[in-house]
Amino acid sequence: DGGITQSPKYLFRKEGQNVTLSCEQNLNHDAMYWYRQDPGQGLRLIYYSQIVNDFQKGDIAEGYSVSREKKESFPLTVTSAQKNPTAFYLCASSRSGLAGTYNEQFFGPGTRLTVL
Amino acid sequence: QQQVKQSPQSLIVQKGGISIINCAYENTAFDYFPWYQQFPGKGPALLIAIRPDVSEKKEGRFTISFNKSAKQFSLHIMDSQPGDSATYFCAAGASGSRLTFGEGTQLTVNP
Repeated sequence: DGGITQSPKYLFRKEGQNVTLSCEQNLNHDAMYWYRQDPGQGLRLIYYSQIVNDFQKGDIAEGYSVSREKKESFPLTVTSAQKNPTAFYLCASSRSGLAGTYNEQFFGPGTRLTVL
Repeated sequence: QQQVKQSPQSLIVQKGGISIINCAYENTAFDYFPWYQQFPGKGPALLIAIRPDVSEKKEGRFTISFNKSAKQFSLHIMDSQPGDSATYFCAAGASGSRLTFGEGTQLTVNP
């Protein structure tokens, strides 16, 4: 089955710790995205990557970091600098993020991060 | 200019009724307008999308209406069912660029 997997589904972290959320896709998509979802605030873009070894900051990148070493993987690290990290994190991918294409995005099932 | 405004924040409809969710945008470069449906604890899934060369697109009970001059688009759910109860997000983007999402509408369809 083609799709996007995120792990773990639930994650608990102590304050001051970094944590890495996994996102893998086997859709052969070039572009990948990370969103944060809080109640009543919709989906806010953290980082996105249009191609391997390249990524751009979204609207709320502070306190987060990413890497894109492989086409199918786009891990997100929530650092201790993120002031309020408790949220639902969603990874998405699209066939291409390049000009001339339309960005139909497919989402993973999400990871719920709770800071204790 | 990147914002997409969505209303209402929540909506309660009786089974068989029509659900209407509205979105407005400012950026005239936007040329792709998808709607996503999200059930609790799940990721959003693409429901229907429209491009500005048409004013309406219908897929089953779901219809997008698009008004380019007003920079508004809306989702109509005909014959709403309890299984339609979910959060709906509109989004907008220009080709090759990121999507900007609305804040979401929590729809409840009462039996």
